[in-house]
Amino acid sequence: AQSVSQHNHHVILSEAASLELGCNYSYGGTVNLFWYVQYPGQHLQLLLKYFSGDPLVKGIKGFEAEFIKSKFSFNLRKPSVQWSDTAEYFCAVNPRGSRTYKYIFGTGTRLKVLA
Amino acid sequence: EPEVTQTPSHQVTQMGQEVILRCVPISNHLYFYWYRQILGQKVEFLVSFYNNEISEKSEIFDDQFSVERPDGSNFTLKIRSTKLEDSAMYFCASSPNTGGGNGYTFGSGTRLTVV
Repeated sequence: AQSVSQHNHHVILSEAASLELGCNYSYGGTVNLFWYVQYPGQHLQLLLKYFSGDPLVKGIKGFEAEFIKSKFSFNLRKPSVQWSDTAEYFCAVNPRGSRTYKYIFGTGTRLKVLA
Repeated sequence: EPEVTQTPSHQVTQMGQEVILRCVPISNHLYFYWYRQILGQKVEFLVSFYNNEISEKSEIFDDQFSVERPDGSNFTLKIRSTKLEDSAMYFCASSPNTGGGNGYTFGSGTRLTVV
């Protein structure tokens, strides 16, 4: 069955620390990959997406992610976090080439940045 | 920036009652979705809707659930006889094409509490 794993459920960092959140998926075919962020009390917002081309994608707010096909991974990174990055981060996968329009979400990583 | 609007933001209902959750997708989008997030758990796909019919649904989306696009702007999710385990945040989303495109735009959610 298709699944998405986010290894870190809770991460606490100090401001200016570097961030890397892991995401692995299980699906043998071609996928589109997304990271969404959910700030407290708000809706899911798209941070960045990958569907082809350069495996290193840049998103909003200084975030980037790298698709490593051989590892089925799409890890999210930010060189220097800010207090305002405190939020929950979700990795999502959309299998391509089928009638499947749905996203499969990971369980989320709750990030807390200490000022 | 265009938004997906959901109403109400919070609904409390008694077990066994019917609820209708409402969504206004972005006007030129063609694909509509409902997801839910039980507190502390991952975001789960419920149903996708295109061209006035369901294109895919999950195992969660049983006979108690239905969706409708009653006019050109609204997209509703009805739960016929609510159960305690239906308590969750329900997110509506829309996209101009399939999930393989630019990603969804999510609404801010309706928190459903079944008592």
